[in-house]
Amino acid sequence: QQQVKQSPQSLIVQKGGISIINCAYENTAFDYFPWYQQFPGKGPALLIAIRPDVSEKKEGRFTISFNKSAKQFSLHIMDSQPGDSATYFCAARGETSGSRLTFGEGTQLTVNP
Amino acid sequence: EAGVAQSPRYKIIEKRQSVAFWCNPISGHATLYWYQQILGQGPKLLIQFQNNGVVDDSQLPKDRFSAERLKGVDSTLKIQPAKLEDSAVYLCASSHYTGTWGSGANVLTFGAGSRLTVL
Repeated sequence: QQQVKQSPQSLIVQKGGISIINCAYENTAFDYFPWYQQFPGKGPALLIAIRPDVSEKKEGRFTISFNKSAKQFSLHIMDSQPGDSATYFCAARGETSGSRLTFGEGTQLTVNP
Repeated sequence: EAGVAQSPRYKIIEKRQSVAFWCNPISGHATLYWYQQILGQGPKLLIQFQNNGVVDDSQLPKDRFSAERLKGVDSTLKIQPAKLEDSAVYLCASSHYTGTWGSGANVLTFGAGSRLTVL
């Protein structure tokens, strides 16, 4: 299976709070898990990515947590800001799947001031 | 560096008409992708080119969609005839991928997309 399931569909957080978005995958051949951020009228832009040989990766306020045994990974946005309001997509790729990125359905994050 | 350029940004057509979208990738990027993003969904790969050859077109509806990448640079995606369900944003992306994945090759840079409305 090539699916990547993402939740929640939408998320509202107060400024300064923590935003958490979850993804689950089925294909154990996936070996690269990026998160993309998309603002209205723009294309998705790479935010942060992880490989399955590590359980966590942090870049500034953004952290990916990865659980290989559960086939799940999540994005944590610490100290969420109104400027973080966007749609976030998780994705996965494996060379056995033709090297294509398979995207989740997206999470629309709103950070209230 | 200049980003991925796409045109037109918006297009409205009647069903059964044809439409073409153009993409100019980042200079030097060997791999070019066309994704379809239906409202409220994640992008779905339609076709992947490496230089001017097709790597993956398994999800391209070949009865109505076609794409080419002339001289391994610019690319055109065509839909003929269009259906109502083709209404979507068509995203072009490019990367350094040349057959071996590495830190730079993993990064896909997307254009702003071409929004198609089929009436």
